[in-house]
Amino acid sequence: AAGVIQSPRHLIKEKRETATLKCYPIPRHDTVYWYQQGPGQDPQFLISFYEKMQSDKGSIPDRFSAQQFSDYHSELNMSSLELGDSALYFCASSSERKNNYGYTFGSGTRLTVV
Amino acid sequence: SQKIEQNSEALNIQEGKTATLTCNYTNYSPAYLQWYRQDPGRGPVFLLLIRENEKEKRKERLKVTFDTTLKQSLFHITASQPADSATYLCALGGTASKLTFGTGTRLQVTL
Repeated sequence: AAGVIQSPRHLIKEKRETATLKCYPIPRHDTVYWYQQGPGQDPQFLISFYEKMQSDKGSIPDRFSAQQFSDYHSELNMSSLELGDSALYFCASSSERKNNYGYTFGSGTRLTVV
Repeated sequence: SQKIEQNSEALNIQEGKTATLTCNYTNYSPAYLQWYRQDPGRGPVFLLLIRENEKEKRKERLKVTFDTTLKQSLFHITASQPADSATYLCALGGTASKLTFGTGTRLQVTL
């Protein structure tokens, strides 16, 4: 079965650079979520989209933005990168109409800012 | 503020025994609670969902209870195996569907 696809798997950027993370949700899932997980920490909610419209916003810095495109893939854009942005970034998708199956997470993008 | 607490210390258990993990929450009225498994460097994997009007849910060797009066969920793995070693996260969701995760409990099953 198709899973949530994230790219790239690893990304190394310098301070003040920009980064773009991509997420391809499971087909027919209507909601996409982005989470940030620092070392030894729980996943922190950043932002979500329902049917391509932003549905909720968490602790996402103003330097970050995200959108969901017509083909349902989503991108997280991160500018003016800081050392503290180094983390695992997960994308997850779910179907609101079938909310018995939880979220399906991708394998994540490990961002390292140097 | 909302808080979800799980045992921060690792739980060490012998193979074949039942592992019980606890999730407590405050200042929250979740519509449902979910449990996830996470291996190092990997994304969380969904295990079970239990709704606020359900007391217990089972799936194979897994059992989850949900007590909205105590604001607590217990997660049981029976006949535990070394392959069950991982971090287990509880997560709470409301009508807006955004999930808020606990800090997770690391389970280590030894032979």
